[in-house]
Amino acid sequence: EAAVTQSPRNKVAVTGGKVTLSCNQTNNHNNMYWYRQDTGHGLRLIHYSYGAGSTEKGDIPDGYKASRPSQENFSLILELATPSQTSVYFCASGERLGGREQYFGPGTRLTVL
Amino acid sequence: GEQVEQRPPHLSVREGDSAVITCTYTDPNSYYFFWYKQEPGASLQLLMKVFSSTEINEGQGFTVLLNKKDKRLSLNLTAAHPGDSAAYFCAVSAENTGYQNFYFGKGTSLTVIP
Repeated sequence: EAAVTQSPRNKVAVTGGKVTLSCNQTNNHNNMYWYRQDTGHGLRLIHYSYGAGSTEKGDIPDGYKASRPSQENFSLILELATPSQTSVYFCASGERLGGREQYFGPGTRLTVL
Repeated sequence: GEQVEQRPPHLSVREGDSAVITCTYTDPNSYYFFWYKQEPGASLQLLMKVFSSTEINEGQGFTVLLNKKDKRLSLNLTAAHPGDSAAYFCAVSAENTGYQNFYFGKGTSLTVIP
């Protein structure tokens, strides 16, 4: 079974602080993704990666950076967190080939005060 | 880019009734289609994937219909039960090499009343 884990599961941060969300996958998938989920918006893609060392901007990258140091790990970094970044964040992994589903982690609930 | 519209945003049905959720998309190059289920406080779990060569897929208690001419994808829960209460998301993906971006609908919150 595909396994994607995220840490932390819950995070409270202060405005202007730095936040790092981590994701680990044991599927040996090339592609990894970061989404945020907000009521009324569904899931929106922030950043994605083709493999170790690569990061690409998704649909809403402003205010976020990403890092893919290895095949297994993909981080989302909020350098200066703002209250508008309060959301639930999901990491996912998937194979590079078309037609393959994405496997999602359990999510991280981030609150920026 | 691809635009995916999902309807309805909220749906309430009685146990045993059917429930239909529909997604329409805009990109004629979209080739792969997925339905995910998200129970409260949980992550997204794949329900079914449908490719362009498949029009109807049947799962356990539900049917997925793909109409590429109308660019419409639907999920039909044939006899809903309380365990089906969850949020459902469709996802659409074009055939690209190197990566596969999913475009999600905004979701449907389904409540099944016992």
